[in-house]
Amino acid sequence: NAGVTQTPKFRILKIGQSMTLQCAQDMNHNYMYWYRQDPGMGLKLIYYSVGAGITDKGEVPNGYNVSRSTTEDFPLRLELAAPSQTSVYFCASKGEVAQYFGPGTRLLVL
Amino acid sequence: QQPVQSPQAVILREGEDAVINCSSSKALYSVHWYRQKHGEAPIFLMILLKGGEQKGHDKISASFNEKKQQSSLYLTASQLSYSGTYFCGTESPHRDDKIIFGKGTRLHILP
Repeated sequence: NAGVTQTPKFRILKIGQSMTLQCAQDMNHNYMYWYRQDPGMGLKLIYYSVGAGITDKGEVPNGYNVSRSTTEDFPLRLELAAPSQTSVYFCASKGEVAQYFGPGTRLLVL
Repeated sequence: QQPVQSPQAVILREGEDAVINCSSSKALYSVHWYRQKHGEAPIFLMILLKGGEQKGHDKISASFNEKKQQSSLYLTASQLSYSGTYFCGTESPHRDDKIIFGKGTRLHILP
């Protein structure tokens, strides 16, 4: 049981490049979330999903896109990377009570 | 809307007690508490539900005042392992499944 896994662990992007942050969970959870964490700002919700085929915007969705074709996977897409997207990105899934977070992806946009 | 946590930071000696507060300007269905150590992912501690039900950690307690839309996390006889950043997350009564987190409270325990 791996829980929530994220790839890559670290990535450097140039301004304007695109990339997909991968997230997968093996707990059969319907609810999944993407957060970004900037120093001193806590966790900001980007997008979330309540099941396969269903996604919704969080607090800071601009510049990101998501899809949820399976229960296990919830990838986050950055289409045109900007320096403001430099952050640590956490994916999480939620069971009956708790959210379980992945180890995070550190993204640097230069 | 993002809940407000206080204090922003606390420094304690091992064995001392701490209280971390979380307040919201909107009605709440539940309050979640998480702890994050530097460079790691947040870890679930506790959830408090409307109606008073608590689920979670057996060494940390918390309260939830629904009328005041506030929650407090109580860390008694703190241990070195309690160091980290504590986040509260709130869920609205609309049950839209969004959990919005505060900015966090940094707790540092000295030996």
